[in-house]
Amino acid sequence: GENVEQHPSTLSVQEGDSAVIKCTYSDSASNYFPWYKQELGKRPQLIIDIRSNVGEKKDQRIAVTLNKTAKHFSLHITETQPEDSAVYFCAASMRSWGKLQFGAGTQVVVTP
Amino acid sequence: DTGVSQDPRHKITKRGQNVTFRCDPISEHNRLYWYRQTLGQGPEFLTYFQNEAQLEKSRLLSDRFSAERPKGSFSTLEIQRTEQGDSAMYLCASSLKADDNEQFFGPGTRLTVL
Repeated sequence: GENVEQHPSTLSVQEGDSAVIKCTYSDSASNYFPWYKQELGKRPQLIIDIRSNVGEKKDQRIAVTLNKTAKHFSLHITETQPEDSAVYFCAASMRSWGKLQFGAGTQVVVTP
Repeated sequence: DTGVSQDPRHKITKRGQNVTFRCDPISEHNRLYWYRQTLGQGPEFLTYFQNEAQLEKSRLLSDRFSAERPKGSFSTLEIQRTEQGDSAMYLCASSLKADDNEQFFGPGTRLTVL
């Protein structure tokens, strides 16, 4: 089955700097890659997703890149703000409506 | 609140007892998922329904776990003969059948087995 690895497990950045989180997946049949943000004690919320027919997607300060050949994808957050502090999870699925295989998460701390 | 809801939010039980959780998906969402999340880990897939049909179950789902979605709306997840290893957050998510959709998560039910 699919296996998703996520790095780093923790990331501390100064406000205004960029943050990058990387994930690798094992199943070349995976074609849907969402990113979820989970604040302490709250539910996971989708922040951005990408499909395998696209190499990059951007939404304001957030961007995701996908390298199908290498089977890895990354989340980029620019101009970080304290409210970006949370745990971020990458996931992979063979269909946009199928089960999600999640990475272990990255704790992002943005210090003022 | 039109989001996914789950009940109860917290459940403390003794080992060996049975527990049942409920999930109400977003209205008209025909896909419903159950995940389990332990501290410091990402959600782990348990099972998935399309309408009332249970289409996939994880190998992690032992025979002590059963899920239903009898009318294609709300779903229940029952754990029989609970064990301490069952302690976790149980998350429900729903999505709408379409080519481009996202899974919306509920707030979860935190289970503690003593």
